[in-house]
Amino acid sequence: QKEVEQDPGPLSVPEGAIVSLNCTYSNSAFQYFMWYRQYSRKGPELLMYTYSSGNKEDGRFTAQVDKSSKYISLFIRDSQPSDSATYLCAMIGGSNYKLTFGKGTLLTVNP
Amino acid sequence: GAVVSQHPSWVICKSGTSVKIECRSLDFQATTMFWYRQFPKQSLMLMATSNEGSKATYEQGVEKDKFLINHASLTLSTLTVTSAHPEDSSFYICSARDASGLPNEQFFGPGTRLTVL
Repeated sequence: QKEVEQDPGPLSVPEGAIVSLNCTYSNSAFQYFMWYRQYSRKGPELLMYTYSSGNKEDGRFTAQVDKSSKYISLFIRDSQPSDSATYLCAMIGGSNYKLTFGKGTLLTVNP
Repeated sequence: GAVVSQHPSWVICKSGTSVKIECRSLDFQATTMFWYRQFPKQSLMLMATSNEGSKATYEQGVEKDKFLINHASLTLSTLTVTSAHPEDSSFYICSARDASGLPNEQFFGPGTRLTVL
């Protein structure tokens, strides 16, 4: 079993839709949870990070962590074509602060 | 702030040659830099962790003699792919951790696309 599981999609939605992206993990040592956005042929860009169970909101984005279920989500409200990208979940556990990435979900928002 | 650059952004080389990729933190000091490799439609796989002034720590399965990492200053780390082969063709991405920032926060470079003919 991989440490971080993420459905690679692809996911295609109409403009304005609510998008839900999810990851599960198996390592209880993970303490920090991040979501990155990666456009084609570019480096990842940090969208949000959390370190506790619950919700964190930033504009149209909401990150949700459920440590008891080892499940994290990213919700995008009022999705826009410019949101079309690959979304990667990533986690850190332990003192070395190494990131463990999910496979990434390719999202396309159609105008 | 927190900008990381990589050079070159893409490179094509012949099999058997060596290629050097630079990673620079432009507006902060990075005691730790990370090197990742990403194959098409795959996630980022950590290759090695580079600490300024010390030897890099390589992940299991990564050949340290093939992927030479040097972190000579607080703003520069280099990855040299020695005797490159077509199977080394990939997208190489570095990230840097701000020495004065949050320990869990990494800033990524734009990546270098390596094609070995």
